[in-house]
Amino acid sequence: QVQLQQSGAELVKPGTSVKLSCKASGYTFTSNHMNWIKQTTGQGLEWIGIINPGSGGTSYNVKFKGKATLTVDKSSSTAFMQLSSLTPEDSAVYYCARYDGTYYYFDYWGQGVMVTVSS
Amino acid sequence: DIQMTQSPSSLPASLGERVTISCRASQGISNNLNWYQQKPDGTIKPLIYYTSNLQSGVPSRFSGSGSGTDYSLTISSLEPEDFAMYYCQQDASFPPTFGGGTKLELK
Repeated sequence: QVQLQQSGAELVKPGTSVKLSCKASGYTFTSNHMNWIKQTTGQGLEWIGIINPGSGGTSYNVKFKGKATLTVDKSSSTAFMQLSSLTPEDSAVYYCARYDGTYYYFDYWGQGVMVTVSS
Repeated sequence: DIQMTQSPSSLPASLGERVTISCRASQGISNNLNWYQQKPDGTIKPLIYYTSNLQSGVPSRFSGSGSGTDYSLTISSLEPEDFAMYYCQQDASFPPTFGGGTKLELK
């Protein structure tokens, strides 16, 4: 069965960076694009970007360009998102979600990881 | 960006009741409308994709409809496990965007 297992919660200081992981299993990793989505109480769900695990090609929401960098490691079927220059506004739950490119929806989601930015 | 407006934001309902959640897009989205359920533990799963297609494993009491800018999710008879948050999402235009959510609560 398809599973997306995300790394654990992070408590990080302002101005630093954090790298989140999303390990995929139960399918061919390069067959589906991977998305990252941010959830906050105030802004709800926001799409950050998408990566093609086969080519490494990425596309970002303009709001998150310069903030998020998406990469993959095909050897371990793991997707990563690095968030840089963290501020309290980056505190949120972050989800990875697999993309169904036939019907254009997020068909499997990770469990989410909470990132708290605080000094 | 296309704005997605869900209503109501909160919906008190009883077991066995039929409920409908609405989602309106700021412009036409050609049926590229999906629905997701989020449980209190944060788990998110798809329910309906491309307006009316039931995700595998989702009970048939869930259904979706709509066209143009207006879409809806209907639960025909509420079960205890249905009390959760529901979100619509459009994938017709970049970037994908979500509605603000509807909290389905036990009355």
